[in-house]
Amino acid sequence: KQEVTQIPAALSVPEGENLVLNCSFTDSAIYNLQWFRQDPGKGLTSLLLIQSSQREQTSGRLNASLDKSSGRSTLYIAASQPGDSATYLCAVLTNSGGYQKVTFGTGTKLQVIP
Amino acid sequence: DTEVTQTPKHLVMGMTNKKSLKCEQHMGHRAMYWYKQKAKKPPELMFVYSYEKLSINESVPSRFSPECPNSSLLNLHLHALQPEDSALYLCASSRGDSGNTIYFGEGSWLTVV
Repeated sequence: KQEVTQIPAALSVPEGENLVLNCSFTDSAIYNLQWFRQDPGKGLTSLLLIQSSQREQTSGRLNASLDKSSGRSTLYIAASQPGDSATYLCAVLTNSGGYQKVTFGTGTKLQVIP
Repeated sequence: DTEVTQTPKHLVMGMTNKKSLKCEQHMGHRAMYWYKQKAKKPPELMFVYSYEKLSINESVPSRFSPECPNSSLLNLHLHALQPEDSALYLCASSRGDSGNTIYFGEGSWLTVV
């Protein structure tokens, strides 16, 4: 059974800092890994999708890496801003009989202090 | 357009009521999902329709009933719910084959009284 863990569970940083969120998974037989952010009381916003053949994806101040062999992904946020405050979820995507099975991580709650 | 639209945003219902949550996407996706999310927990999969085929999480009680009228619409029918069913219900969609982004809606907050 796939298990996905995120460390740290919570993080508080001053504005402007660069930071790294970690995601680890137990079964390396994955198709893709996707990072989401969730604001309080809201749905999930897709940030980045890394396909299993890729090692890295970038979008603006966000950079996500994937190392399938070690079962790890990191989300790097450059020059953090108060608007980045949210819960960040990584999700491992695998094929399960015709649909994408999504296993979510435990989440990292980020607070960026002005 | 990468939008998944859910209605209503908030729903309060009694334990004897029958209500429905609705979800719509116009991205041509062939897989649509219902997830349930409790506070401070990650979403949990309830149902998937992929190419009109339903897959079920066996632990979901029968008081939840999904319906997929066509490939763009997904409903979740609710009947005789319990207070512990109060949660955020999220709809999502994807192209249906492996290797594609999954998009989520804003969710429907359900309170059972």
